[in-house]
Amino acid sequence: EAGVAQSPRYKIIEKRQSVAFWCNPISGHATLYWYQQILGQGPKLLIQFQNNGVVDDSQLPKDRFSAERLKGVDSTLKIQPAKLEDSAVYLCASSQTSVRHGYTFGSGTRLTVV
Amino acid sequence: AQSVTQPDIHITVSEGASLELRCNYSYGATPYLFWYVQSPGQGLQLLLKYFSGDTLVQGIKGFEAEFKRSQSSFNLRKPSVHWSDAAEYFCAVGANAGNMLTFGGGTRLMVKP
Repeated sequence: EAGVAQSPRYKIIEKRQSVAFWCNPISGHATLYWYQQILGQGPKLLIQFQNNGVVDDSQLPKDRFSAERLKGVDSTLKIQPAKLEDSAVYLCASSQTSVRHGYTFGSGTRLTVV
Repeated sequence: AQSVTQPDIHITVSEGASLELRCNYSYGATPYLFWYVQSPGQGLQLLLKYFSGDTLVQGIKGFEAEFKRSQSSFNLRKPSVHWSDAAEYFCAVGANAGNMLTFGGGTRLMVKP
């Protein structure tokens, strides 16, 4: 089975610029997650989708971050404008309906804001 | 709210030695527990999981973990470490309701030859 696909792998932008990340989950996985992993820390959930609806976005900085999952498949995470502290790896994961199956993670996008 | 603590930020072991990585969780009911491994520049790979039944679970790459409800722990073990096990290890807890996983801060494992 194909894994979770993410692009780009790396991105370097200047502060105040905008950036977008793309994720294609495993086919048939209803739930999609975006996590932010700052260097030296564990992943932190930004947003969770169930099909094309948002389940939890309580930790998403909505003044600058936005995410969508059109048609319940692919998802895009956007940052506008970026700040230095947004430098991190952005991980996309997908899972079947229940968390008991665990997640499958993509390789992530490493963002550097300079 | 659920939380996970990994007390050891760094651990160094000699190749061939045994390994135990500690994980303590906080959650009101029986949690779903996971261990993931992350190699440099890679995403997270699931090593093993526990959600019910036998409290000793076997995973991939020769790893196992034991769920101890009385200690709120889910420690990861391996009897003999290989140099390729050097990576960062994350413990995670999931609630019965909803699908969100909460991760610990990770333990970086270094293996000496």
